[in-house]
Amino acid sequence: QKEVEQNSGPLSVPEGAIASLNCTYSDRVSQSFFWYRQYSGKSPELIMSIYSNGDKEDGRFTAQLNKASQYVSLLIRDSQPSDSATYLCAVLRMDSSYKLIFGSGTRLLVRP
Amino acid sequence: EADIYQTPRYLVIGTGKKITLECSQTMGHDKMYWYQQDPGMELHLIHYSYGVNSTEKGDLSSESTVSRIRTEHFPLTLESARPSHTSQYLCASSESPHYNEQFFGPGTRLTVL
Repeated sequence: QKEVEQNSGPLSVPEGAIASLNCTYSDRVSQSFFWYRQYSGKSPELIMSIYSNGDKEDGRFTAQLNKASQYVSLLIRDSQPSDSATYLCAVLRMDSSYKLIFGSGTRLLVRP
Repeated sequence: EADIYQTPRYLVIGTGKKITLECSQTMGHDKMYWYQQDPGMELHLIHYSYGVNSTEKGDLSSESTVSRIRTEHFPLTLESARPSHTSQYLCASSESPHYNEQFFGPGTRLTVL
């Protein structure tokens, strides 16, 4: 089992819809969670971080964390074609290394 | 906005050559990282550093080496490039070891012929 699991997609949504991206993780003691957006051929860009259970909103993005279920999600409201990218979930490994463990990413396609 | 730079952005080189990929950040971050990513594939951590004179190997075995003589600079060296080293190399840095928001540079796309 991978430490961080994501559906590879592609997830296809029409413009203006809500895109819901999901991620599960295996380390129960993880405390820090991140969402990155990566356009094809580019480097990852940090879009959200979340550390506490519940929702965190930033513009059109909402991150949701449920530590009991070991589940973190990203909602994108009013999806735009420019949101089409691969979204990477990352979880901080809670050992002495403090390494970020990345999922393989979910490809999102927003149809005009 | 993160200020982290990588040079060169693209490099095409022959087998057996020694290469150094440069990474610099102006944010004073202690932690720096090198990742390798093939197109459409996962990020793999190959090296990281907690600070000056600290270097650690990552989760993916790599024939590259790194050094950290200055806080802002974290170069990666391949002594003898091979076609299997063809990939995108991404450098990142973070300020806090506990929250670890990592910011990435633009990457170096390496092709070894």
